[in-house]
Amino acid sequence: VQLLESGGGLAQPGGSLRLSCAASGFSFSSYGMSWVRQAPGKGLEWVSTISSSGGSSNYAASVKGRFTISRDNSKNTLFLQMNSLRAEDTALYYCAKEFTAVAYFDCWGQGTLVTVSS
Amino acid sequence: EIVLTQSPATLSLSPGDTAPLSCKASQSLSTYLAWYQQKPGQAPRLLIYDASNRATGIPARFSGSGSGTDFTLTISSLEPEDFAVYYCQQRSNWPLTFGGGTKVEIK
Repeated sequence: VQLLESGGGLAQPGGSLRLSCAASGFSFSSYGMSWVRQAPGKGLEWVSTISSSGGSSNYAASVKGRFTISRDNSKNTLFLQMNSLRAEDTALYYCAKEFTAVAYFDCWGQGTLVTVSS
Repeated sequence: EIVLTQSPATLSLSPGDTAPLSCKASQSLSTYLAWYQQKPGQAPRLLIYDASNRATGIPARFSGSGSGTDFTLTISSLEPEDFAVYYCQQRSNWPLTFGGGTKVEIK
């Protein structure tokens, strides 16, 4: 099982970034997927979860209306579209696989760093 | 939003000691709580799910207990590789939330 995030980088306040997570080693379309972030030196913060089919999603209040989670099951890839970025969105963003149809995370990528700064 | 409060923030112990880590929830979770371990520069690792079930490959020295609002992760006979930060996480209600973490450091 492997998750490989990409797309992080430096963005200006108000800007946008699109994160990707390429999955391999498991039946991607059978599992819900999530994004979890960690600001430098801080704890873990759940960001968003999408169902296995992509038909439903949930968001943290801090990102709702600005971030959109999506997936392409034909390409085993998870996405996070991040708009209206703020300084407080600066963090390492992890892609995480759902554990047996419940909202725990049994596999994590190594993360992609997003820095929001002018 | 369910708030998870972990204590203590830091636990200073020696190898071979037992580490009791607490996670208290602002409302009942039943047993819908997990524990993760995170080492510096690494992604978190799932240790315990649904309060007391060890994830695949997790040594028996890690045990979880509790229900409702009070939960404990116990690490028996600490090994050098167990010194890390530990987080609890609830799946009882959206939004999913994590505790602030407990750092287990070498005394």
